[in-house]
Amino acid sequence: QSVLTQPPSASATPGHRVTISCSGSSSNIGSNYVYWYQQLPGTAPKLLIFANNQRPSGVPDRFSGSKSGTSASLAISGLRSEDEADYYCAAWDDSLSGWVFGGGTKLTVL
Amino acid sequence: EVRLVESGGDLVQPGRSLRLSCTSSGFSFDEYAMSWVRQAPGKGLEWVGFIRSKPFGGTTEYAASVKGRFTISRDDSKSIAYLQMNSLKSDDTAVYYCTREEGYYDSRGYYHAPSGMDVWGQGTTVTVSS
Repeated sequence: QSVLTQPPSASATPGHRVTISCSGSSSNIGSNYVYWYQQLPGTAPKLLIFANNQRPSGVPDRFSGSKSGTSASLAISGLRSEDEADYYCAAWDDSLSGWVFGGGTKLTVL
Repeated sequence: EVRLVESGGDLVQPGRSLRLSCTSSGFSFDEYAMSWVRQAPGKGLEWVGFIRSKPFGGTTEYAASVKGRFTISRDDSKSIAYLQMNSLKSDDTAVYYCTREEGYYDSRGYYHAPSGMDVWGQGTTVTVSS
């Protein structure tokens, strides 16, 4: 049972937009930054979004993040086949004094 | 190039111990906190624990699932972080990743790492089975 809640799956067709949600509580998302990680099949996770809505160098602007209260979301526009991956949200939890993750969302590009 | 390389993964019997290493290069290792994150087969990511940088005491925090069994340490002179795993259980079977984060504590004592766990190693596999 993950501390952060994500839908287990999402799908969309190429060129379209998809949104993945992440729900937490006041001790994590409500009081700290949210991060998103992309894990392509058979590879290590890669930081996709940091500090709620910032993209590391090299991440396309098709990827965007937002946060409101104790929830966050990742949006991917102009969907491409290479975006098919698992996506995880994460945040620091002040009560647990540690990082917490969502259970992950498997994105399928139809 | 900033790089993290894990090593030490192996097949080990339940109840035994194993030590993983995370060798870094390309950045000032002593300025970063280092976390370990694991992923059981077919499952999601689980934070295992981390060690703060020396300016913040070099102390550690652990997930409840490993507290008392796992110990994280660091050797800044060698730019290596370690994960000592004792009393291993089958539930510890996973790919173990090390990550870095540039964290600090604010005036109220709350932890912040604005850039997050921004670099990950390729992972090392630990299998606990008899």
